[in-house]
Amino acid sequence: EIVLTQSPGTLSLSPGERATLSCRASQSVRSNYLAWYQQKPGQVPRLLIYGASSRVTGIPDRFSGSGSGTDFTLTISRLEPEDFAVYYCQQYGNPRTFGQGTKLEIK
Amino acid sequence: EVQLLESGGGLAQPGGSLRLSCAASGFTFSSYTMTWVRQAPGKGLEWVSSISGTGGTTYYADSVKGRFTISRDNSKNTLYLHMNSLKVEDTAIYYCAKDGTDGTPWGQGTLVTVSS
Repeated sequence: EIVLTQSPGTLSLSPGERATLSCRASQSVRSNYLAWYQQKPGQVPRLLIYGASSRVTGIPDRFSGSGSGTDFTLTISRLEPEDFAVYYCQQYGNPRTFGQGTKLEIK
Repeated sequence: EVQLLESGGGLAQPGGSLRLSCAASGFTFSSYTMTWVRQAPGKGLEWVSSISGTGGTTYYADSVKGRFTISRDNSKNTLYLHMNSLKVEDTAIYYCAKDGTDGTPWGQGTLVTVSS
């Protein structure tokens, strides 16, 4: 199975700053089947990005995904107060796996 | 409106069994792979199992292989997860999810607690 390692574990930033979250795979992710989810406390995870770089309809364009092979990045260009949450990457080849998550907290 | 509604969670003893259900509406259920994901209290997300639209292909995480069985009834638009030989570490909220790129919200989840 593909192991996904997210870094950092916790990222402390201020609103308006740029956030860069990393997801590294133990082997190449087939067809860039890499997604990013956002989860706020007490809420269900929400899909933000699929195919490594395609944004789900309705997701603000400050969220962007990039990368291929084994290294992927989620970038939030200018943090809004509602963006502070936990972010998970997932590869959706089979079997699927999630990263352990990055907590984005207010500095 | 697409809706996914899980049920069947509850308290089970170690070694016991439960069957989770996920009732789907608002889309052509049989056209989509469906997935179960779980989240232990205070922990991250763990993919559990997926099943193709026809039900002919299934996949399992190693942690549940041989104990859990995913199935679906396309005539009832319902996804199932049969859980046997439950362990304390299976305690989690179990979510059902529809595959696809449209960002369909997951269900609200059903809590499974395994404890003696």
